[in-house]
Amino acid sequence: AQKITQTQPGMFVQEKEAVTLDCTYDTSDPSYGLFWYKQPSSGEMIFLIYQGSYDQQNATEGRYSLNFQKARKSANLVISASQLGDSAMYFCAMREGRGTGGFKTIFGAGTRLFVKA
Amino acid sequence: NAGVTQTPKFRVLKTGQSMTLLCAQDMNHEYMYWYRQDPGMGLRLIHYSVGEGTTAKGEVPDGYNVSRLKKQNFLLGLESAAPSQTSVYFCASSYSGARMNTEAFFGQGTRLTVV
Repeated sequence: AQKITQTQPGMFVQEKEAVTLDCTYDTSDPSYGLFWYKQPSSGEMIFLIYQGSYDQQNATEGRYSLNFQKARKSANLVISASQLGDSAMYFCAMREGRGTGGFKTIFGAGTRLFVKA
Repeated sequence: NAGVTQTPKFRVLKTGQSMTLLCAQDMNHEYMYWYRQDPGMGLRLIHYSVGEGTTAKGEVPDGYNVSRLKKQNFLLGLESAAPSQTSVYFCASSYSGARMNTEAFFGQGTRLTVV
């Protein structure tokens, strides 16, 4: 069965510093996709970055990068040069490929990030 | 471009009452999902649909029913609401799951309180 684990309920980071949010996953399907979403206090869900299981390189999108370690089944989000606007809840999510998961997307419990001025 | 629209945005129900949450998307997406968000538990998948006329159970389907009669709409029903169903409900949609790199687009959420 699919499973996503985010072990950090809350994280603090100083403005302009980098921060890593942890995510581990469990799946038996060789084909899967990993996503990170941001949820600010306003409540909407914002897509940040995607990593495919067959991608050879780590994904990057602006200040966001995904540290993908396939053998360890981890997909950590790295935010560089943190800004006050990065304060939000961050969710890791996974979608399996053609397996028992049936393409559904499941989420972790989330990590709340606080950026300090 | 409306994207994903949820109706209503807020609702208070009494225990035992029924209601239907409506989700509409205008992006011609095949996949639609209903999640509930509770503190400390993230988003949990209730039901999902891979196309018009199809539905499937997610992680926490009990107490909910769904229908996808039209491709653009995905309805979530509560037949007899319970206080444990107090939550924020999110609808999402995405292109076909065969394209793994397609993110989900979310509605603004529905805050439901069952008293």
